[in-house]
Order: sequence, then C-alpha cells, then structure tokens
Amino acid sequence: GAGVSQSPRYKVAKRGQDVALRCDPISGHVSLFWYQQALGQGPEFLTYFQNEAQLDKSGLPSDRFFAERPEGSVSTLKIQRTQQEDSAVYLCASSLLQGPNTEAFFGQGTRLTVV
Amino acid sequence: AQSVAQPEDQVNVAEGNPLTVKCTYSVSGNPYLFWYVQYPNRGLQFLLKYITGDNLVKGSYGFEAEFNKSQTSFHLKKPSALVSDSALYFCAVRDMRSNYQLIWGAGTKLIIKP
Repeated sequence: GAGVSQSPRYKVAKRGQDVALRCDPISGHVSLFWYQQALGQGPEFLTYFQNEAQLDKSGLPSDRFFAERPEGSVSTLKIQRTQQEDSAVYLCASSLLQGPNTEAFFGQGTRLTVV
Repeated sequence: AQSVAQPEDQVNVAEGNPLTVKCTYSVSGNPYLFWYVQYPNRGLQFLLKYITGDNLVKGSYGFEAEFNKSQTSFHLKKPSALVSDSALYFCAVRDMRSNYQLIWGAGTKLIIKP
C-alpha cells in the first residue's frame, strides 16, 4: 500500500472488554513498531517486530497487552480486559530496513477510549 | 539514560517570520536524531533526520535543523513561517541499545498567526 494503514481509527470499549487493533505496514517493510501516545505526550514504545519475530516487547505495560505479526506483514495489537488507563492513541510504524538511520513511517493511529 | 527534551510546550510565530522549535538530547554514543510533524487527525510525518555529516540538515516543507554537538541540541528552523505550518512537532532520538526504537520528546505546539 501507499502508506501505513491502521484500523479501526476509533474504538470505544467498555472496561473489561477485549480489543484488537490492526496495522497494515508498507509492503516490504521489515521493521514494525507499536507505540502508545497519551494525550499531550510523545509516543511511548510498546513493541518491535523484525519480519515475524517479536524482538522487543519491553514496552508492553502489562500482560494484558499482546502483539503478533505471524506472516511478517500485518500486525495486531490485542488488549485484554481493557482498563481506563489504556485509553490512548495507538500508533503503528514501519521501516524498510532495520537500522538506526532509516526513518519510520507512521499510520494515523487508533484512538482507543475505554469507558 | 537516553532522553529528549522539548522545553517549549507552545511556540507562537507571526506568518512570514522565522521560526525555531527547540530540542535537546542526552544519549550515549553518536546521536541519530529525527523531527516529525503531527497534524490534527493525521499520523506522524517524517520531516528530517541527522545521522552524520553536515550539521545543517534540510528536510521537507522548507524545514531545516541544526545539529550542535557541544550544546547537545537539534533545533528545528524555518526561515519564513506559513499558517499551514501550525501543527505539533516532535523531536526523537534513536535508542541504539534497544532495537532502534525512537525515544520522543513531549512535543511542541507551533501556532503561526496570520
């Protein structure tokens, strides 16, 4: 695709509900990142994939958060038993290569509101 | 610890005037620095990056940034601001220890007044 696509754009979940957020990276991009952005803050790292391998999940805030990228393209971030503090914008980014000097391309994000 | 600071929550500039959005960083080793812009209801868009070489980096939409190693700064600049430049600007640095994730500043809201 032309850019990184995330769906849904907006999600309202009742507390305790499970949600799944989808990311379609740019075709052929090796690296995929998930970030969480709270209102008025910069993004915070959640997890990183290189192809299908999840190489870093140190940013996931609890074991209720789970991410996968089974075929090395589309990725899903799942949040179980959502809590109000999970309300944020979830950003997905991809980059062509793994390396420090390659810029990442971001999707528009999914705004999750837990009520 | 590696970190990025954007000391100004908001910057107000009159259209046509030069603008500067400040960023300072703290990293071990050589820094890989980035600027992104976020328009309302849109994703983060890459503006420019500093990897090595010339301290003055040119990017998209007429923006440039000056890397200053002694001051550990990477300020974003534009000679003549446009109303359409109004947006949220983020500075970020690569975390070289951790799979190259980006460490972000808190963002600076840039308001350009006609």
